[in-house]
Amino acid sequence: EVQLVESGGGLVQPGGSLRLSCAASGFTFSNHVMNWVRQAPGKGLEWVSGISGSGDDTGYADSVKGRFTISRDNSKNTLYLHMNSLRAEDTAEYYCAKSRCSGGGCQSIFDYWGQGSLVTVSS
Amino acid sequence: DIQMTQSPSSLSASVGDRVTITCRASQDIRNALVWYQQKPGKAPEVLLYAASRLQGGVPSRFSGSGSGTDYTLSISSLQPEDFATYYCQHYYSTPTFGQGTKVEIK
Repeated sequence: EVQLVESGGGLVQPGGSLRLSCAASGFTFSNHVMNWVRQAPGKGLEWVSGISGSGDDTGYADSVKGRFTISRDNSKNTLYLHMNSLRAEDTAEYYCAKSRCSGGGCQSIFDYWGQGSLVTVSS
Repeated sequence: DIQMTQSPSSLSASVGDRVTITCRASQDIRNALVWYQQKPGKAPEVLLYAASRLQGGVPSRFSGSGSGTDYTLSISSLQPEDFATYYCQHYYSTPTFGQGTKVEIK
């Protein structure tokens, strides 16, 4: 059974930093593109960042580029999101999401999601 | 980035009704579209991908259609467990989501 469990969220002041983690199990982690998707309170979904199975390729939404860094440790089956220079508008539930992969490669179809980790940026 | 516009933003319907939600992309996304269902306090779940392919375990009352820039999610006979928010998302390039459609009980 695929499981994704996020941790590391909390209250942080504007300009501060936070690191989210996502522990994965139930699938071959290193074979899958992984992503972070966020949802501000009462709002819609926003893709934040993605990383290839090897970790060599990353992508970011314009809203977080230069401030957030995605990484992974395949030996620990864990995905990370390092968030710097946090702003009030970064307040959201952050979900770890697995991309659907087949013989033809991985697509940004988020077929499994974690339960979310709430990040609140406020003074 | 490709913009996704969903309509309506909300709707009220009764159990047994047929419901249709539309999603329009700002350019041709070649059927690279996924529909999600999200219930309060829960993560989204995939309903359909490639515009019309049903995800395993999803009831057949859900269906998808469309091509080019215009896509539709239909629920043939609304059930109590279908009251939720629905999102479309393209994966043709950097993924973006529609703003969501909240389906409420009439």
